Amino acid sequence: DADVTQTPRNRITKTGKRIMLECSQTKGHDRMYWYRQDPGLGLRLIYYSFDVKDINKGEISDGYSVSRQAQAKFSLSLESAIPNQTALYFCATSARVGGGVFFGPGTRLTVL
Amino acid sequence: DAKTTQPNSMESNEEEPVHLPCNHSTISGTDYIHWYRQLPSQGPEYVIHGLTSNVNNRMASLAIAEDRKSSTLILHRATLRDAAVYYCIRSGGATNKLIFGTGTLLAVQP
Repeated sequence: DADVTQTPRNRITKTGKRIMLECSQTKGHDRMYWYRQDPGLGLRLIYYSFDVKDINKGEISDGYSVSRQAQAKFSLSLESAIPNQTALYFCATSARVGGGVFFGPGTRLTVL
Repeated sequence: DAKTTQPNSMESNEEEPVHLPCNHSTISGTDYIHWYRQLPSQGPEYVIHGLTSNVNNRMASLAIAEDRKSSTLILHRATLRDAAVYYCIRSGGATNKLIFGTGTLLAVQP
């Protein structure tokens, strides 16, 4: 079983729709992250969370919101999706400062 | 957060060693050096990380320069499955957040 899972794996939606991407982890890590990847580019950080009560903006948080429902769950929402949010979205976790970061399989989101 | 500098692409032959270089001249004393790799349509995969000393694991070795301004990821015997984009990343502070560059695309020839 995968340690970091993401649902859905693929989603096609229309401009203006609200979308939620979910992430769950069984690694017991406190730190969770949401990244976005555009074709041919590296990943960019959207939001990160140290624990349930701690949420922080990353490089590109505009147009996104997050919720840390439990230590193991971290969801990303697009309140009103727009076409330039079409991308691959990755959830990740880490245990501590300086530790390795472990990524989920990704969600491919297309906004028409 | 300054990104690291890596060659855009490299080629290797199967079963030969591969040395992937990375420059991080503005690294601070508390920044870790991470390496990840990404295959097409997959999430990045953790390879190795270190702070000051050289590190070895089952996947690779990480050689860190004494001044920490550069590092090298060493794949001891490249296989076709090692063909991927390799990212060298600094992570620092309490967040452990990773700031990605564009990485090195490694091609492995049979």
